[in-house]
Amino acid sequence: QVQLVESGGGLVNPGGSLRLSCAASGFTFSEYYMSWFRQAPGKGLEWVSSISSAGISIYYADSVKGRFTISRDNAKNSLYLQMNSLRAEDTAVYYCARVMHRFLHGLDAFDIWGQGTMVTVSS
Amino acid sequence: EIVLTQSPGTLSLSPGARVTLSCRASQSVSSNYLAWYQQKLGQAPRLLIYGAFSRATGIPDRFSGSGSGTDFTLTISRLEPEDFAVYYCQQYGRSPITFGQGTRLEIK
Repeated sequence: QVQLVESGGGLVNPGGSLRLSCAASGFTFSEYYMSWFRQAPGKGLEWVSSISSAGISIYYADSVKGRFTISRDNAKNSLYLQMNSLRAEDTAVYYCARVMHRFLHGLDAFDIWGQGTMVTVSS
Repeated sequence: EIVLTQSPGTLSLSPGARVTLSCRASQSVSSNYLAWYQQKLGQAPRLLIYGAFSRATGIPDRFSGSGSGTDFTLTISRLEPEDFAVYYCQQYGRSPITFGQGTRLEIK
């Protein structure tokens, strides 16, 4: 079935780095924009970053620009988020999600979400 | 960026009740690119409504969306026990994508 599975979360010191992965299955990964979202404990949802189907167009929230890097490997059906210079305020559950419509841009509703992976930034 | 304000923050209702949740945007949402999600504790968001009023695949018809411009609503015609959760609106008409702060639906 259509599925996204995140991995790579954990506990990291402030200033440290972490790389999240999202494995996709059950659909043609290379046809869809993909995005990362996050949700701090007890808080709402925040968009983090998006990447076009071919990986050409990339967008970031101001809060992570210059520190996070989104990428994808369509041959491996995988999405990544490299997170550097991590701060306490980056502590959250990170979700990868797929846009609803193939071949369109990243401004869309998101119909498939992973289960999330927890990132905790603390000394 | 477009700020979405949801009201009320929390609602306490009984199963079988009809409920209307509000989402107000700080500026007009182009092409009514407004979605609603349901999130239960410890779970990922689930898409309910897109394009302001279109139900996503597999969503029961007791869920309906309406509105345009800056004012949108999600209506649940008759609450089932599994509907008690947090609901978020999301606009995708203009970058960056933004969400409302959520409305928590509690069992009375």
